[in-house]
Amino acid sequence: GQQVMQIPQYQHVQEGEDFTTYCNSSTTLSNIQWYKQRPGGHPVFLIQLVKSGEVKKQKRLTFQFGEAKKNSSLHITATQTTDVGTYFCAGPKNTGNQFYFGTGTSLTVIP
Amino acid sequence: DSGVTQTPKHLITATGQRVTLRCSPRSGDLSVYWYQQSLDQGLQFLIQYYNGEERAKGNILERFSAQQFPDLHSELNLSSLELGDSALYFCASSVRLGTGTTGELFFGEGSRLTVL
Repeated sequence: GQQVMQIPQYQHVQEGEDFTTYCNSSTTLSNIQWYKQRPGGHPVFLIQLVKSGEVKKQKRLTFQFGEAKKNSSLHITATQTTDVGTYFCAGPKNTGNQFYFGTGTSLTVIP
Repeated sequence: DSGVTQTPKHLITATGQRVTLRCSPRSGDLSVYWYQQSLDQGLQFLIQYYNGEERAKGNILERFSAQQFPDLHSELNLSSLELGDSALYFCASSVRLGTGTTGELFFGEGSRLTVL
């Protein structure tokens, strides 16, 4: 079945260092979304990518959608303690309306 | 505040029991999704409803069932509970049936179920 894997599963960085999480799907995705879940919180929508090769930026966050629409990445420049949380990518199944979340990357920022 | 309301926030019960989790979507949202998140785990898709009809099923156990009512609120029923059912259950809503443009999901704060 369709799987959406993320690497790494965990990442510890010093404050100010950069961070990248990668999302890989076993099938082509029509679009991909990214969510952030703070510790003890609920997932919050960050962004959606639709086009092949699309790149979007939100302040220190850069999101990319692969040319083949099977992978995506989220890069954070100069991490801050407010970036702590788990970052999930998510995408729809090609057929039907199932919406799968990746395995998530838990980011810890050390002050 | 996402506009999605889930009750109860916390629930402690015993094995073999049955519980009902309730979700009120954002005003105007027709789609409701249910997800299960076990400790330090990802979000497992359970089921989706759109305007009262079941539209997609994920890894939902036969002991679990859900429905969406005419006023668009949804309930997730968990029966014959086992220790492994302890988890955070999230409801999310969306305007659209699918997840195309503007199909972002708005999550509630979750219902934490503990089965003893």
